[in-house]
Amino acid sequence: DTAVSQTPKYLVTQMGNDKSIKCEQNLGHDTMYWYKQDSKKFLKIMFSYNNKELIINETVPNRFSPKSPDKAHLNLHINSLELGDSAVYFCASSQGSGGLSRDTQYFGPGTRLTVL
Amino acid sequence: QKEVEQNSGPLSVPEGAIASLNCTYSDRGSQSFFWYRQYSGKSPELIMSIYSNGDKEDGRFTAQLNKASQYVSLLIRDSQPSDSATYLCAVRPPAAAGNKLTFGGGTRVLVKP
Repeated sequence: DTAVSQTPKYLVTQMGNDKSIKCEQNLGHDTMYWYKQDSKKFLKIMFSYNNKELIINETVPNRFSPKSPDKAHLNLHINSLELGDSAVYFCASSQGSGGLSRDTQYFGPGTRLTVL
Repeated sequence: QKEVEQNSGPLSVPEGAIASLNCTYSDRGSQSFFWYRQYSGKSPELIMSIYSNGDKEDGRFTAQLNKASQYVSLLIRDSQPSDSATYLCAVRPPAAAGNKLTFGGGTRVLVKP
């Protein structure tokens, strides 16, 4: 009965490669997010989608491209991976997209990306 | 100035004592405040949310909000070794598009038996 799931859990790859991380939620939520948590534990939002529409796009290199095929899925594709992309990437979801101030976000288990 | 600030710790407390964590935020119009707990190698887990000035209690946890002073705190009563984790403060700025949350860097708590 996993609420927010991500694959893979670990991803080790070489610089310059292209990789994807997948996220799925079975909570019936309308909004999904991608966060990056660096080695200093700062958790920073990257993107948010509401019903397949991009609503948050923070200052993120355009090598990062989110894709939402439907409201239960949000994938993150990263081109030309760099050493600085090494981090833990968390997917999250919430019922709405902020019209209600009380929208709680639920996090997936994370994907630890290591770029060598 | 960072938007959401927390003391990184570690905050070391003996078992059974009260752990007190503080968080300050810069955007005065912020309306929603959250405390997440994150165990090492795990994802953040919501433990408390608070929206109005004052105290909100849930089991051993109490969140306190003071919008005039722009701080939110978390008290953990009767601390247990299982409370050892990093506690992240998150704030929803006013008029934030798409339910954007801004997180502090977290406070690491160590509860010693």
